[in-house]
Amino acid sequence: GAVVSQHPSWVICKSGTSVKIECRSLDFQATTMFWYRQFPKQSLMLMATSNEGSKATYEQGVEKDKFLINHASLTLSTLTVTSAHPEDSSFYICSARERRAGEQYFGPGTRLTVT
Amino acid sequence: GNSVTQMEGPVTLSEEAFLTINCTYTATGYPSLFWYVQYPGEGLQLLLKATKADDKGSNKGFEATYRKETTSFHLEKGSVQVSDSAVYFCALLYSSASKIIFGSGTRLSIRP
Repeated sequence: GAVVSQHPSWVICKSGTSVKIECRSLDFQATTMFWYRQFPKQSLMLMATSNEGSKATYEQGVEKDKFLINHASLTLSTLTVTSAHPEDSSFYICSARERRAGEQYFGPGTRLTVT
Repeated sequence: GNSVTQMEGPVTLSEEAFLTINCTYTATGYPSLFWYVQYPGEGLQLLLKATKADDKGSNKGFEATYRKETTSFHLEKGSVQVSDSAVYFCALLYSSASKIIFGSGTRLSIRP
């Protein structure tokens, strides 16, 4: 089946630094990728939708200058958390929508801890 | 707008008990409906789905039927196992935007 990977799976960084998270579709092309954020014991909140080669569309309340999304190819999207603060600590999950069939597949998530 | 409401947890059952987790939705048009499962420390996995009214999704002994008249997609399993302990998310996809909207999740714990 289709596989989506995320790297790193967990990261600890200091307050004020930036962190980049990668999301890759390993065996299919993804025209659209989605980034979600999940707080402990809570549901997934959609942060943004990115289409290959164009700017991401952010959900209301998500700071686009803080959460930079790049979708440079049909198999890779990146989320950069800039000037991270402890309140950005969370579980970040991406999903990729397959180009042909339109199915969405989720990555395993990246746990970010900002100290 | 589009939304999903699911039964609040946590739900604790004994092994071999019958499971129902309620899910209702609000949507314009005809969304696809999903159940996802998240095991401890892992990402989301698609458990089952249904794309139109009266469809029944099933997988690993779990079932859910797309009920348009009651806007529901309740998850059921006849005999749960300890390995079913996880968080279950009901979700809908409205195809015009390809966005998946998730319910709040229901934590299920199964006692041996």
